[in-house]
Amino acid sequence: DADVTQTPRNRITKTGKRIMLECSQTKGHDRMYWYRQDPGLGLRLIYYSFDVKDINKGEISDGYSVSRQAQAKFSLSLESAIPNQTALYFCATSGAGTGERQPQHFGDGTRLSIL
Amino acid sequence: QKEVEQNSGPLSVPEGAIASLNCTYSDRGSQSFFWYRQYSGKSPELIMSIYSNGDKEDGRFTAQLNKASQYVSLLIRDSQPSDSATYLCAVNRAGGGNKLTFGTGTQLKVEL
Repeated sequence: DADVTQTPRNRITKTGKRIMLECSQTKGHDRMYWYRQDPGLGLRLIYYSFDVKDINKGEISDGYSVSRQAQAKFSLSLESAIPNQTALYFCATSGAGTGERQPQHFGDGTRLSIL
Repeated sequence: QKEVEQNSGPLSVPEGAIASLNCTYSDRGSQSFFWYRQYSGKSPELIMSIYSNGDKEDGRFTAQLNKASQYVSLLIRDSQPSDSATYLCAVNRAGGGNKLTFGTGTQLKVEL
């Protein structure tokens, strides 16, 4: 079983719809992240959370919101989807030990298309 | 100037050769450096991490770090067709918690 699970894996929806992408992990990590990946732009951080009560904006948070329901669950919402939010979305986790030396571990991704 | 820069490639090498992938970063306070491999349509997979100047070897992979030159590289020895992928360089700045800044990746093609 995957340590970091994202659902759904693929989603096609229409402009203006509300969408939720979910991420759950069994790694016991405190820190969770949401990224989007676009061709030529690489991975860009949307939101991150270092524990259940800590939510922080990343470099491209406009149009997105998140919820950290538990240590193991971190959801990303698009309140009113627009076509330029079409991208590959990844959830990642990392441990807190040894601080900045902790690598991030990625889920399998959600391919989101907004028509 | 981008925070983390990589040549997008593609970098083509023959099977069995050494592939050399390079990455430069702008923040001198950066402390931790990671290489991820990403196959098309798949998630990034951690290959190597390096924190101190010098070389770090793991099997066919060697990471090299030169903080004075703000340069990190990944060498892949005895390249195989299965190494064909995009390689992402990621940098963790000092005081940035666990936030990583990624380069846009270098596409590697290993040809038979």
